[in-house]
Amino acid sequence: GAVVSQHPSWVICKSGTSVKIECRSLDFQATTMFWYRQFPKQSLMLMATSNEGSKATYEQGVEKDKFLINHASLTLSTLTVTSAHPEDSSFYICSASSSTSGRAYLQFFGPGTRLTVL
Amino acid sequence: SQKIEQNSEALNIQEGKTATLTCNYTNYSPAYLQWYRQDPGRGPVFLLLIRENEKEKRKERLKVTFDTTLKQSLFHITASQPADSATYLCALGSGNTGKLIFGQGTTLQVKP
Repeated sequence: GAVVSQHPSWVICKSGTSVKIECRSLDFQATTMFWYRQFPKQSLMLMATSNEGSKATYEQGVEKDKFLINHASLTLSTLTVTSAHPEDSSFYICSASSSTSGRAYLQFFGPGTRLTVL
Repeated sequence: SQKIEQNSEALNIQEGKTATLTCNYTNYSPAYLQWYRQDPGRGPVFLLLIRENEKEKRKERLKVTFDTTLKQSLFHITASQPADSATYLCALGSGNTGKLIFGQGTTLQVKP
């Protein structure tokens, strides 16, 4: 149980284009989803927290107009990188948790999406 | 500001030995601490959680200690195997938001 998928697993795009990454909880209802970014040999940096049906809460320094997050259902959240530039190239990872399980502190991570912007 | 430190140098040990990884933190009072395993190009996988009022937790060959006075957690893998080779991340959490702050991870290499 507690499987989280991400799609695509990797994507290459041209500078200036937008890229959408999907995060799905396959066997549980995710009341909260988190989006992280990880650069090589560095830690996971939280970008934003999204609760189903409400606006995402962004961490300091993360541009909400550049990284659009939608959490329209209890099983799907999307991250759209708008007008991507080479410096946005990174490994994007989502995680999901469920407050209804009584274990909201447990996050289940997706396999990640490698974004390369040319 | 909150800071989490894990040994950035890779840890190389011989198969069968016990691996010990360290996680230190400052300017933070976590309600719980978690350890994750991350393989290259993959998302983290949850291993263990220990709460602030717990001193030690065990799961099979894994053991975690948590010293809130020293602001330190130790993560042990006994009878290590080459399959244990990976990067291990510690993460701190508090409150009801579920937000986690991650350390940079320590890479463990177990040699046969």
